[in-house]
Amino acid sequence: DVKVTQSSRYLVKRTGEKVFLECVQDMDHENMFWYRQDPGLGLRLIYFSYDVKMKEKGDIPEGYSVSREKKERFSLILESASTNQTSMYLCASSPPTGLSYEQYFGPGTRLTVT
Amino acid sequence: LAKTTQPISMDSYEGQEVNITCSHNNIATNDYITWYQQFPSQGPRFIIQGYKTKVTNEVASLFIPADRKSSTLSLPRVSLSDTAVYYCLVGDGNQGGKLIFGQGTESSVKP
Repeated sequence: DVKVTQSSRYLVKRTGEKVFLECVQDMDHENMFWYRQDPGLGLRLIYFSYDVKMKEKGDIPEGYSVSREKKERFSLILESASTNQTSMYLCASSPPTGLSYEQYFGPGTRLTVT
Repeated sequence: LAKTTQPISMDSYEGQEVNITCSHNNIATNDYITWYQQFPSQGPRFIIQGYKTKVTNEVASLFIPADRKSSTLSLPRVSLSDTAVYYCLVGDGNQGGKLIFGQGTESSVKP
């Protein structure tokens, strides 16, 4: 089975802190994604990466950056956390199967910024 | 930006067939339509994917009309454990195939 793990299930940070969310997948997938999920808004794509050191902006990249130094690891960085970044963050990975969108999700990190 | 529309919620009883429709205008010509299931405190899980007509697997069926402007996820004979949020996922034809999740349908199965 594909396994996508995220570094923390719950995280509490203070406003202005730099926050790192780590995601690791064990299936050698080329594509990796970061989403945030908020009530009533569904899943919104923050960034995605289709290869090591490659990244593309999603719908809501403002306030976030990403890093992909190794194929299996995709990090989401909040340079200066703000209260409006309190949310559930979900990482996903997928193989580059043409136009297939079968993504494998991690369990999520619930981040609270106080 | 292509818009996807799903009902916010649906109620059903055990043993019934549940059908959830997603409307998606301007879907990219060659894009697949994919459905996911999400339980509380878990990430979404892939259920089924199709391009046109009908696709069936051990979990669900997916019906896609010829114009591909909508799709219907069909869950046969649901049980309490099928209570979840269901999302449709399509490419966005106006943005080079960028992925657009629907808002999700909260499907509650009652005994």
